[in-house]
Amino acid sequence: LAKTTQPISMDSYEGQEVNITCSHNNIATNDYITWYQQFPSQGPRFIIQGYKTKVTNEVASLFIPADRKSSTLSLPRVSLSDTAVYYCLVGDKTNDYKLSFGAGTTVTVRA
Amino acid sequence: DVKVTQSSRYLVKRTGEKVFLECVQDMDHENMFWYRQDPGLGLRLIYFSYDVKMKEKGDIPEGYSVSREKKERFSLILESASTNQTSMYLCASSGAGALPREQYFGPGTRLTVT
Repeated sequence: LAKTTQPISMDSYEGQEVNITCSHNNIATNDYITWYQQFPSQGPRFIIQGYKTKVTNEVASLFIPADRKSSTLSLPRVSLSDTAVYYCLVGDKTNDYKLSFGAGTTVTVRA
Repeated sequence: DVKVTQSSRYLVKRTGEKVFLECVQDMDHENMFWYRQDPGLGLRLIYFSYDVKMKEKGDIPEGYSVSREKKERFSLILESASTNQTSMYLCASSGAGALPREQYFGPGTRLTVT
């Protein structure tokens, strides 16, 4: 499985855009990039997934450069309720059973 | 909405006890998973099951067993609980046709072994 590296923590203020970059230098051709969000005392929640270029949904955007060795999760205009741990995962469907979450990035949004 | 429920939010057991953690999903998902989450270590996969009566070891299966007699239910068993099994236990499920890696998690069971 491709190893991922992401910052341990990030601080932001309400209304700002938060960008979390994940490095995955040994990503394989068939690998997808997936992000999960986890609030305190809850299980992780799938928020977005992509393979290349840009993916956007109602929660976030995911930017993937052409070489796919990194990706950036963008949270627009964050609010206090976006305070959570964000995990970046890389892999394909054949190793779907071997999710490796790591420690994630703790995003703290302040008023 | 997919719903994954776990039998208890909090559980306190004594060393040496046999512990059962139950997980039920209501979306007819083929795959079910058990993880434990510890500070600084992230989530680690204990066991998963891709069909009824089928199971595969994850990264840290020692001290645990699982049972899947029905598609919707996946049980984690601690044969003889020890203090190093104090942790948050998370169950998840996913469908065979789902996007890669889109798992749905339950709320977790915080187990304390004294």
